[in-house]
Amino acid sequence: DVKVTQSSRYLVKRTGEKVFLECVQDMDHENMFWYRQDPGLGLRLIYFSYDVKMKEKGDIPEGYSVSREKKERFSLILESASTNQTSMYLCASTSGVVGTDTQYFGPGTRLTVL
Amino acid sequence: SQQGEEDPQALSIQEGENATMNCSYKTSINNLQWYRQNSGRGLVHLILIRSNEREKHSGRLRVTLDTSKKSSSLLITASRAADTASYFCATIGGTSYGKLTFGQGTILTVHP
Repeated sequence: DVKVTQSSRYLVKRTGEKVFLECVQDMDHENMFWYRQDPGLGLRLIYFSYDVKMKEKGDIPEGYSVSREKKERFSLILESASTNQTSMYLCASTSGVVGTDTQYFGPGTRLTVL
Repeated sequence: SQQGEEDPQALSIQEGENATMNCSYKTSINNLQWYRQNSGRGLVHLILIRSNEREKHSGRLRVTLDTSKKSSSLLITASRAADTASYFCATIGGTSYGKLTFGQGTILTVHP
């Protein structure tokens, strides 16, 4: 069974804290993605990576950074968490340059920043 | 930026009825995918239709694609209470490493 796992289902942090969200996939996929999902705004792409140590900004990268040291792991970092980063965060992976295959999603991390 | 619109935003039907959801997009695409999300969970892939295809079936799901109108529809036949979920269309265009652009989704409620 294909699998994308995320380190936490629920997370509560305080304003100004550094937050790490981890995502691991076991499908040997080249491409990995971080989205955030907010009511009325749908899913928006934060960052993606198409290879180890490679990253590209998505539509809303401000306030976030990412790390991809190993092919199977893609981390999202909130350098200094703010209340407007309270959201559902979804990780996904797929293969190939054109990416015509199915994209597999993790279960999501619901982050609350107080 | 969001690729397009989904219509309706919410749909409420009785078990056994058919449910139709529509999706429009703005730019040329390689393929269009439909995903389902149960409340508070991750997304599950339902079906993928390529830009050179017009219709695709998978079990009780039927997807159509009209590239001239930049639109797609998802039909769920003989709906069940377990189909209650949010449904999203997402597009891939160009050499994008599989980067998806999502619509805002349709919330489907199927009453037993």
